[in-house]
Amino acid sequence: DGGITQSPKYLFRKEGQNVTLSCEQNLNHDAMYWYRQDPGQGLRLIYYSQIVNDFQKGDIAEGYSVSREKKESFPLTVTSAQKNPTAFYLCASSQQGSANTEAFFGQGTRLTVV
Amino acid sequence: GENVEQHPSTLSVQEGDSAVIKCTYSDSASNYFPWYKQELGKRPQLIIDIRSNVGEKKDQRIAVTLNKTAKHFSLHITETQPEDSAVYFCAASKTGNRGSTLGRLYFGRGTQLTVWP
Repeated sequence: DGGITQSPKYLFRKEGQNVTLSCEQNLNHDAMYWYRQDPGQGLRLIYYSQIVNDFQKGDIAEGYSVSREKKESFPLTVTSAQKNPTAFYLCASSQQGSANTEAFFGQGTRLTVV
Repeated sequence: GENVEQHPSTLSVQEGDSAVIKCTYSDSASNYFPWYKQELGKRPQLIIDIRSNVGEKKDQRIAVTLNKTAKHFSLHITETQPEDSAVYFCAASKTGNRGSTLGRLYFGRGTQLTVWP
């Protein structure tokens, strides 16, 4: 079953702790993205990567970190420096360099700070 | 960078009526404009897209129009049904080559569409 998978679906974190959200895709896509979704704010880009071992900051990168060691994987770490981490996080992937740049989304991870 | 504005933020229609959602963009180099539908608690999914070399595209009850001169594009849903209720996002990007900074999607803030039976 091809697609993009995020885990876990729900995540609870204590204040001051780092937490890592998983994102894996088997679509052979070059590009991967992390978005944060808050009510009324739409989809805001945190980080994106267009090729292995390279990534760029999006619009709200502060307090987050990523790695892209493998084409299939793009984990997001929410650090203690992120002051308001409670949100719905979406990972996406797309194929660069082709006529079709449809982005495929994972099912999301809802992070709650307790 | 690109700035995408989307209106209205909420839209309520009676079943069978039409719904129109409008978006504007700022970067004249943008050439790919997808629309995503996100049902409650689910992932966004592409429902239709349009490229800058065409002015209109239809897929059954859904159509998208693009005005490059005015830099705006719209989603039209006809004969709405309760299952059309969802949040709709417009987006814009520039398709490009591998390794370039092109291809990133810029999203509007979304429109909550409610279709009343």
